[in-house]
Amino acid sequence: EAQVTQNPRYLITVTGKKLTVTCSQNMNHEYMSWYRQDPGLGLRQIYYSMNVEVTDKGDVPEGYKVSRKEKRNFPLILESPSPNQTSLYFCASSLFAVYNEQFFGPGTRLTVL
Amino acid sequence: KNQVEQSPQSLIILEGKNCTLQCNYTVSPFSNLRWYKQDTGRGPVSLTIMTFSENTKSNGRYTATLDADTKQSSLHITASQLSDSASYICVVSPREQTGANNLFFGTGTRLTVIP
Repeated sequence: EAQVTQNPRYLITVTGKKLTVTCSQNMNHEYMSWYRQDPGLGLRQIYYSMNVEVTDKGDVPEGYKVSRKEKRNFPLILESPSPNQTSLYFCASSLFAVYNEQFFGPGTRLTVL
Repeated sequence: KNQVEQSPQSLIILEGKNCTLQCNYTVSPFSNLRWYKQDTGRGPVSLTIMTFSENTKSNGRYTATLDADTKQSSLHITASQLSDSASYICVVSPREQTGANNLFFGTGTRLTVIP
């Protein structure tokens, strides 16, 4: 089944404790991205990747890191999480670029205390 | 500033009734406009895509319209079902030649269908 998977689905952590949210797609898509979704603000792009070893900042990259060592994986790293990073996070992939249909993962609910 | 605005923010309708959701955008030039459905606790899923030259597109009980002159789109849901309860998000892609790599998201309309 073609899909985007994320892990974990739910995470409660404390300020400053490094964490990684994994994202994997099995559709051989070149474009992958991370979004956060907050009430009243909609989806905002954190980082995106056009292909392996090619990443760039989105609209709200502060406090996040990403890597794209393999085509299928695009982990999101929070080196020192803070409470303002409490949010719902979505990974998405598309065939070539942002103009193609985005396939979203199931989401990761992160709470930073 | 490129923006996408949706209305209403929330809507409650009776099962079996029709409804129309609105999306106004200022993104220009644009490549396509999509409507996504997001069930509670899940990621958004694409319902329809419309390019600049298209006026209407249907997907089952969902019909999207686009007026590129007025920069407005609507999503019409016919004979609503309980499973239509979800958030509906309007998403505009900038034209490829602009080199942009970000999408423009509306904040969504939360639809609740009640028995």
